[in-house]
Amino acid sequence: DTAVSQTPKYLVTQMGNDKSIKCEQNLGHDTMYWYKQDSKKFLKIMFSYNNKELIINETVPNRFSPKSPDKAHLNLHINSLELGDSAVYFCASSHPSGSLRETQYFGPGTRLLVL
Amino acid sequence: SQQGEEDPQALSIQEGENATMNCSYKTSINNLQWYRQNSGRGLVHLILIRSNEREKHSGRLRVTLDTSKKSSSLLITASRAADTASYFCATGGSNYKLTFGKGTLLTVNP
Repeated sequence: DTAVSQTPKYLVTQMGNDKSIKCEQNLGHDTMYWYKQDSKKFLKIMFSYNNKELIINETVPNRFSPKSPDKAHLNLHINSLELGDSAVYFCASSHPSGSLRETQYFGPGTRLLVL
Repeated sequence: SQQGEEDPQALSIQEGENATMNCSYKTSINNLQWYRQNSGRGLVHLILIRSNEREKHSGRLRVTLDTSKKSSSLLITASRAADTASYFCATGGSNYKLTFGKGTLLTVNP
């Protein structure tokens, strides 16, 4: 009954590979996010989708491509992985409307290590 | 660009003491939120304060907001070892976007 889940939890891969991280939420939210947390714990937003539509796209290399097949899922595909992509990637979601909309619910994170 | 800056970067206290963390930001905001992150875990929302509010309480948490100084503080009273975590402030604007600070690492010693 996890609210926001991510798979895999850990991902170790070689430079140049392509990998995907999946996120699912069962909270009925219609806005979902991807964040990257670097080794210094700095958390930066990458993308946000609302009702399967991209609404936030920060300065992220185009090797990163989010995909939202439906409101409950937001996946992140990364092409040609580089050493600097090593980080923890967090998925989050927020409530559809009203005063609760600003609060975000985070998944447990996916720890990506590129060798 | 980064919006929030927490101060101090690290704080170590004894159980039962109060912990105060500060956050400064640069642009106008709709709201300011505080999140907690336990080691190896995701972030958990603690409290939200709107730009027209000055103080808010939730259990042992007290948040203040001074929009004229563009700063906020988080006070945790009667701290417990389980409060050991990183605490982040995040500013919310008119869209869905949250901008996080670098966090304060709080260690509560038993």
